[in-house]
Amino acid sequence: EDKVVQSPLSLVVHEGDTVTLNCSYEVTNFRSLLWYKQEKKAPTFLFMLTSSGIEKKSGRLSSILDKKELFSILNITATQTGDSAIYLCAVEGYQLIWGAGTKLIIKP
Amino acid sequence: EAGVAQSPRYKIIEKRQSVAFWCNPISGHATLYWYQQILGQGPKLLIQFQNNGVVDDSQLPKDRFSAERLKGVDSTLKIQPAKLEDSAVYLCASSPRDTYTEAFFGQGTRLTVV
Repeated sequence: EDKVVQSPLSLVVHEGDTVTLNCSYEVTNFRSLLWYKQEKKAPTFLFMLTSSGIEKKSGRLSSILDKKELFSILNITATQTGDSAIYLCAVEGYQLIWGAGTKLIIKP
Repeated sequence: EAGVAQSPRYKIIEKRQSVAFWCNPISGHATLYWYQQILGQGPKLLIQFQNNGVVDDSQLPKDRFSAERLKGVDSTLKIQPAKLEDSAVYLCASSPRDTYTEAFFGQGTRLTVV
């Protein structure tokens, strides 16, 4: 059965810290891995990864995929209170399988 | 660009009652998705439409859930009768093509079944 597992489930850090969120997967017919940020209720798209070892970067956020070890990480540097959200990982195979998310809380 | 509109934002009903949710996608978006997100879990796809045709409804509990997208624009999702385990946020998303990376989500409807 296809599955996507994110860790940690929740994380509390102070503003300015760097965080690393993990997403591991077992998905048949892998096509892509997606990261989303969910504030309140609506997820917003962050990154799509399809190739191993190529870092995607947007401001203080970056992500990389390892297709051999079947995982991805999302890094956030110099965190700000506005980064507080649930970060969701989804893997596209025959369907889009979502992880349960990591709830990130940034304390001022 | 106007976003994906959903209504109502919140709904509380008793079990065995019926409920309907409405979604108006971004203008011109051919693909529309309905997701169910139970607290503490990721979204689960219920149904995907391409224009007014169903692409995937494999995870839709068809004994109680139904959805339609008449005229290929807005869509309604209905639950009849509701169960306690249907309590969740129901998210609608749309995209111009069948690609998840261009999908925009609405604010969702939080359903509580008591």
